[in-house]
Amino acid sequence: SYVLTQPPSVSVAPGKTAMITCGGNNIGTKIVHWYQQKPGQAPVLVVYDDTDRPAGIPERFSGSKSGNTATLTISRVEAGDEAEYYCQVWETGSAHYVFGTGTKVTVL
Amino acid sequence: QVQLVQSGAEVSKPGSSVKVSCKASGGTFSTFTINWVRQAPGQGLEWMGRIIPILGMTNHAQSFQGRITLTADKSTSTAYMELSSLRSEDTALYFCARGFNDYFDKWGQGTLVTVSS
Repeated sequence: SYVLTQPPSVSVAPGKTAMITCGGNNIGTKIVHWYQQKPGQAPVLVVYDDTDRPAGIPERFSGSKSGNTATLTISRVEAGDEAEYYCQVWETGSAHYVFGTGTKVTVL
Repeated sequence: QVQLVQSGAEVSKPGSSVKVSCKASGGTFSTFTINWVRQAPGQGLEWMGRIIPILGMTNHAQSFQGRITLTADKSTSTAYMELSSLRSEDTALYFCARGFNDYFDKWGQGTLVTVSS
């Protein structure tokens, strides 16, 4: 089955930039989406279609993709950005959705 | 503005079944899919399956083969997920989520299912 690998944790100081990677075989051929999940809450879509932001999501959140890695970048990190972040793709071969392993972002 | 409202927490015995509902409040299913995603305690998100309510078509992850049933009642804009042969490892928070262009733009609040004797 298709696997999306993320670093378990990323720590960042307030005002700095956090970069969360998502690696998968041939991910460059897939469309990547990103979710933020805070404890006890449902996930929230923060980036869709690799680079687009839903209404209401700050411009500080941006997505990119290069080679076999997709990246979610959070600029000017705030305390409220502390959460778990997941990437997600549609795996055409199996007709399944796949989530990444998740990255816990800690704001120092 | 559509909201997804799920049924309340459930406690089920091993070997039994549980059925969780997800009602689209403030709108209808339209042409979207309704997906089910679960999260075991302290773990990540796991996609379980989806239904296209207006067509009744479903597909699901292989790991739930034979145990999951997805249905939808168009008249009440409510989707259902039934999981059978429950085991302790099925203890989790179960979410429904609206699928739009292969991402999930709206989520229910989650339903905690506890499997315990």
